[in-house]
Amino acid sequence: EAGVAQSPRYKIIEKRQSVAFWCNPISGHATLYWYQQILGQGPKLLIQFQNNGVVDDSQLPKDRFSAERLKGVDSTLKIQPAKLEDSAVYLCASSPIGTAQYFGPGTRLTVT
Amino acid sequence: DQQVKQNSPSLSVQEGRISILNCDYTNSMFDYFLWYKKYPAEGPTFLISISSIKDKNEDGRFTVFLNKSAKHLSLHIVPSQPGDSAVYFCAASDSGNTPLVFGKGTRLSVIA
Repeated sequence: EAGVAQSPRYKIIEKRQSVAFWCNPISGHATLYWYQQILGQGPKLLIQFQNNGVVDDSQLPKDRFSAERLKGVDSTLKIQPAKLEDSAVYLCASSPIGTAQYFGPGTRLTVT
Repeated sequence: DQQVKQNSPSLSVQEGRISILNCDYTNSMFDYFLWYKKYPAEGPTFLISISSIKDKNEDGRFTVFLNKSAKHLSLHIVPSQPGDSAVYFCAASDSGNTPLVFGKGTRLSVIA
């Protein structure tokens, strides 16, 4: 079974630029999550989708971050404009309802 | 306020001995607990979970113990192997289909 796919793996941008990350969850997984992991911390939720609807985006900085999950499968997370403090690893995870979440390899973003 | 705490940033254990990683939580609504292992440049990998109706769950060399009254869980790895060297994250959720709340992680080093 293929795991969660993410791209790109690494991205370096200057502050105030925009960036987008892509996630393809495990086939059949209804729930998709985006987490932000800052160095030395555990992952922190940004947004949760159930199929193509948003379940929880309370911790998403909506003035600069946006996310969508079209057709209930792939998802994109966008940052516009980026700030220095957005430097982190962005992790996508998926799960069937009510079980463990399975993570992709992450995208390491560096904002200079 | 950190709801999931891993108070030991690092742990060193000799190969063949037992590794015990600890985790405390403060939110009494949490009823599903997981451990993830993370290697550098990879996403967290699901290891083992336990629901609040149990106090122990075992999978091969890995056992998770839950003490609800103390709001404490621990992961035992026995025997420890050099390939177990990684960062281990404790995570918790309420109902299993909600976002995970992670601790900051414990770096385990298994010395040959």
